[in-house]
Amino acid sequence: GAVVSQHPSRVICKSGTSVKIECRSLDFQATTMFWYRQFPKQSLMLMATSNEGSKATYEQGVEKDKFLINHASLTLSTLTVTSAHPEDSSFYICSATPGLAGGDIQYFGAGTRLSVL
Amino acid sequence: AQSVTQLGSHVSVSEGALVLLRCNYSSSVPPYLFWYVQYPNQGLQLLLKYTTGATLVKGINGFEAEFKKSETSFHLTKPSAHMSDAAEYFCAVSEGGYSTLTFGKGTMLLVSP
Repeated sequence: GAVVSQHPSRVICKSGTSVKIECRSLDFQATTMFWYRQFPKQSLMLMATSNEGSKATYEQGVEKDKFLINHASLTLSTLTVTSAHPEDSSFYICSATPGLAGGDIQYFGAGTRLSVL
Repeated sequence: AQSVTQLGSHVSVSEGALVLLRCNYSSSVPPYLFWYVQYPNQGLQLLLKYTTGATLVKGINGFEAEFKKSETSFHLTKPSAHMSDAAEYFCAVSEGGYSTLTFGKGTMLLVSP
């Protein structure tokens, strides 16, 4: 099946620093990638949808200047948490869909646990 | 707008017993419905999905779900639980095509020997 790689799996950083998370589709071209945030014992909340070569579409309440998304190629999207603060600590998960080429199923990465001290 | 309600944040079963995880949805258009499983500190893995056609959908690991339009439900079942089934299960709905997923709050399945 389709594989989505997310890196790093865990990151600890100091307050005020920026953190970049990568999401790669390893064996398919992802026309669309999604970024989710998951708080402990809660569901996934969609943060943004990104299409290759265009600006990401952010969900209501998500700060686009805080969470920078770059979908530079059909196999790579990055999420940068800028000037991270403890309240940004969470589990971030990306997903990717092949789109027309392979249907609309979303394939998920293994997630990144961000801890901001 | 679409939404998903999963009844029961935790479900406990004995190994070998029937697994039933409940999911009800609301959607203004014919829905696409999904069940995902999440193991600790991992991403989500698709168990099964319903789009159109046969209302009983079979997935991986012996799970199946039945779409009941009249009840707006998509409950997940497995005849005999295995210890390895212990995980969190998420029901999700989309409006079809390539629209976004809306997830339920999840149900943690606990399996005891």
